Amino acid sequence: GENVEQHPSTLSVQEGDSAVIKCTYSDSASNYFPWYKQELGKRPQLIIDIRSNVGEKKDQRIAVTLNKTAKHFSLHITETQPEDSAVYFCAAIRPGYSSASKIIFGSGTRLSIRP
Amino acid sequence: DSGVTQTPKHLITATGQRVTLRCSPRSGDLSVYWYQQSLDQGLQFLIHYYNGEERAKGNILERFSAQQFPDLHSELNLSSLELGDSALYFCASSVTSGGADTQYFGPGTRLTVL
Repeated sequence: GENVEQHPSTLSVQEGDSAVIKCTYSDSASNYFPWYKQELGKRPQLIIDIRSNVGEKKDQRIAVTLNKTAKHFSLHITETQPEDSAVYFCAAIRPGYSSASKIIFGSGTRLSIRP
Repeated sequence: DSGVTQTPKHLITATGQRVTLRCSPRSGDLSVYWYQQSLDQGLQFLIHYYNGEERAKGNILERFSAQQFPDLHSELNLSSLELGDSALYFCASSVTSGGADTQYFGPGTRLTVL
């Protein structure tokens, strides 16, 4: 069946350095790719998303790139700060209007920022 | 605060029992999604309702069922509970029916099966 592979599962970077998390999806009909951040004991929150008609999107220190041909997308966090420490989830969504949607999340990346 | 509410916050029950988890979406959102998050695991999509109708099913066990009521709140029913059902259950809501828009998550219900 369809799946989303997310790498790495854990990532430790020095404060101020960049962090990159990658996801690969299998369902070619997926066209919406959100990224969620989940701090310890809290709910997931959307931090950025991208649709298939766009190759890159940026919001301050966070950017997402999408390669539809290769079916992978990546989250880039620059100038990392201690508050970036959290678990990050990617998702690939095939929207459904006349038919069922398909929502698949990656397994998560635990990002730790070293002071 | 996302505007999505879930009750109860915590639930402790025994194997074989049945429980009901409740979710109220943000005002104006017609879609409700349910997810299961086991300890140190990712988010497993269970089911999606839009305006009272089931729209998509994920990895939902037959022992689990859900519904969305006319006032748009949703309930997730878990029956014949097993130890492995212990998890954090999130609901999320969004505006559209297709699933390709921002989902706002509730605070979750932590279920412990003893």
